[in-house]
Amino acid sequence: EADIYQTPRYLVIGTGKKITLECSQTMGHDKMYWYQQDPGMELHLIHYSYGVNSTEKGDLSSESTVSRIRTEHFPLTLESARPSHTSQYLCASSPQGRSREAFFGQGTRLTVV
Amino acid sequence: SQQGEEDPQALSIQEGENATMNCSYKTSINNLQWYRQNSGRGLVHLILIRSNEREKHSGRLRVTLDTSKKSSSLLITASRAADTASYFCATPPSGGYNKLIFGAGTRLAVHP
Repeated sequence: EADIYQTPRYLVIGTGKKITLECSQTMGHDKMYWYQQDPGMELHLIHYSYGVNSTEKGDLSSESTVSRIRTEHFPLTLESARPSHTSQYLCASSPQGRSREAFFGQGTRLTVV
Repeated sequence: SQQGEEDPQALSIQEGENATMNCSYKTSINNLQWYRQNSGRGLVHLILIRSNEREKHSGRLRVTLDTSKKSSSLLITASRAADTASYFCATPPSGGYNKLIFGAGTRLAVHP
């Protein structure tokens, strides 16, 4: 079983609020990812990191920001939530190297009202 | 745009039948991975096939890779109701191996 945790599991929040989605892994993986997925739809990479203090934007433009101060922690922040941010956010990690599988958290389902 | 595209988008079969899903990708790759997602949950890695491999097996799963056609297939044999899930292919694109890009997925429903 993968040791990667996302909190909260569900979040309903009002427009304009600042939120932080937490993601932690205990496997010592260098690479971490954030994906956005609407129900029944494809995953879109919004942020990734290949090590401490190294973050990159993914293929889907997102108003969220991320930080990677510690290897095990990769939080995602929305400064001002909007209804268009309603979605499921999935965090994943993988070891360094080209042919390595990714391990996923259970996701955070965000609803902005 | 997505690196991979799965086909079909949805598949409905009876228990015991085989299920085949296809994935096409756009750029050269180092490897291709298949994942499974149960409704509302995170993804679980199923199998990885490297670009120099043509076929790989894991239990009831068989994956093929054709780099000349930039395509892969996932075969689930003797399907069970518990196989009902969405299946995604994913690749680290050439020159961007720190990223992992997913296709749109195939929704498989296996009926008892």
